Amino acid sequence: EDQVTQSPEALRLQEGESSSLNCSYTVSGLRGLFWYRQDPGKGPEFLFTLYSAGEEKEKERLKATLTKKESFLHITAPKPEDSATYLCAVQANDYKLSFGAGTTVTVRA
Amino acid sequence: NAGVTQTPKFQVLKTGQSMTLQCAQDMNHNSMYWYRQDPGMGLRLIYYSASEGTTDKGEVPDGYNVSRLKKQNFLLGLESAAPSQTSVYFCASVGVNTGELFFGEGSRLTVL
Repeated sequence: EDQVTQSPEALRLQEGESSSLNCSYTVSGLRGLFWYRQDPGKGPEFLFTLYSAGEEKEKERLKATLTKKESFLHITAPKPEDSATYLCAVQANDYKLSFGAGTTVTVRA
Repeated sequence: NAGVTQTPKFQVLKTGQSMTLQCAQDMNHNSMYWYRQDPGMGLRLIYYSASEGTTDKGEVPDGYNVSRLKKQNFLLGLESAAPSQTSVYFCASVGVNTGELFFGEGSRLTVL
């Protein structure tokens, strides 16, 4: 059974304090790993797709990396507007998509 | 461009009542999904549809039914609502080339 575990569950940061979120996974053949951002009361919003180990993608203060067993979402010099829940999802070769429970990030000014 | 639109946004039901959640997408996507989101459990797939006229069960299909009669619409039905179905429901459609999910704003259902 495909499994996705995100850690930590919650992360409180001071503005400018860089940190990383972890997504570890077990999947029967990885087709892709996705990162989403979800604001309170909203639907998840797509951030990145990673397809193979060693791949990296960046968007503003966010950088996602992928290994064979886990992915990291690095937040560099975060701002209060980066506060959100970040979701990781893995897609297996059968196209089934499994989500982690998410990491809620709070950035204080 | 509306993307994915869900209705209603909020609903309160009594145990045993029935209702339908509606989802419409204007991106001409083939695949559509229904998820439920509960605290600490992430998004769990209820049903999905790879194309118009086809549907398949996901991880938690019990107590639900779906209909995909038109490509742009995916309906989720609750025949006899139970308190365990209190949740936030998200509909999503899938980008053809990227596999990216486009989500609606969610439908918040409370079953008393």
